[in-house]
Amino acid sequence: QVQLVESGGVLVRPGGSLRLSCVVSEFTLSDYYMSWIRQAPGKGLEWVSSISDSGNTKSYADSVRGRFAVSKDDAQKSLFLQMTSLGADDTAVYYCARGRFCSGTSCYFDYWGQGTLVTVSS
Amino acid sequence: SYGLTQPPSVSVSPGQTVSVTCSGDQLGRKNVCWYQQKPGQSPVLVIYQDRKRPSGIPGRFSGSNSGNTATLTISGTQALDEADYYCQAWDNNVVLFGGGTKLTVL
Repeated sequence: QVQLVESGGVLVRPGGSLRLSCVVSEFTLSDYYMSWIRQAPGKGLEWVSSISDSGNTKSYADSVRGRFAVSKDDAQKSLFLQMTSLGADDTAVYYCARGRFCSGTSCYFDYWGQGTLVTVSS
Repeated sequence: SYGLTQPPSVSVSPGQTVSVTCSGDQLGRKNVCWYQQKPGQSPVLVIYQDRKRPSGIPGRFSGSNSGNTATLTISGTQALDEADYYCQAWDNNVVLFGGGTKLTVL
């Protein structure tokens, strides 16, 4: 069945960098819009970044624009999130999620990974 | 910037009907979906495109969206429905989440 498995979350010092990965199975990345969504401890969901099925359109939340970069490798069935200049506010569980019908006025996420925890602390 | 507002918490007795609201400027012009998240688990889609239920989601979950408010309604609420619920919309390549509502089944 469809699966998304994130990895790469670790303890990192403020100002550091980190690369998260999300490996998918049972579907083709080039057919779907994909997103990263995070959740700080005890807080709500916060959208981080998205990449279109073609990879040509990338979007970012204001809180991470200029520091984070989303990419993917369709052949490797992998989605990535490169994070730089990390701060305490970036501490969260990071989920990758598969988007559906992400155009016009509709976009929703039908499958989510289990999440990977990023902790930014000295 | 555009925002979605949810009540922080709602409570319901088992077997009763409960509604969770999500408010935003002219929200009725957008498609809204809803996620259920239980402690320690990933979110699960329960309603998409305002009122559609994914396969496997019980019929007691329903949704509506009009004017400035989208609503998730759970009929015949069960103890296992106790969870956080998040609304989500999409606006010009930006994904928007509500702050979440904690549903307590008393």
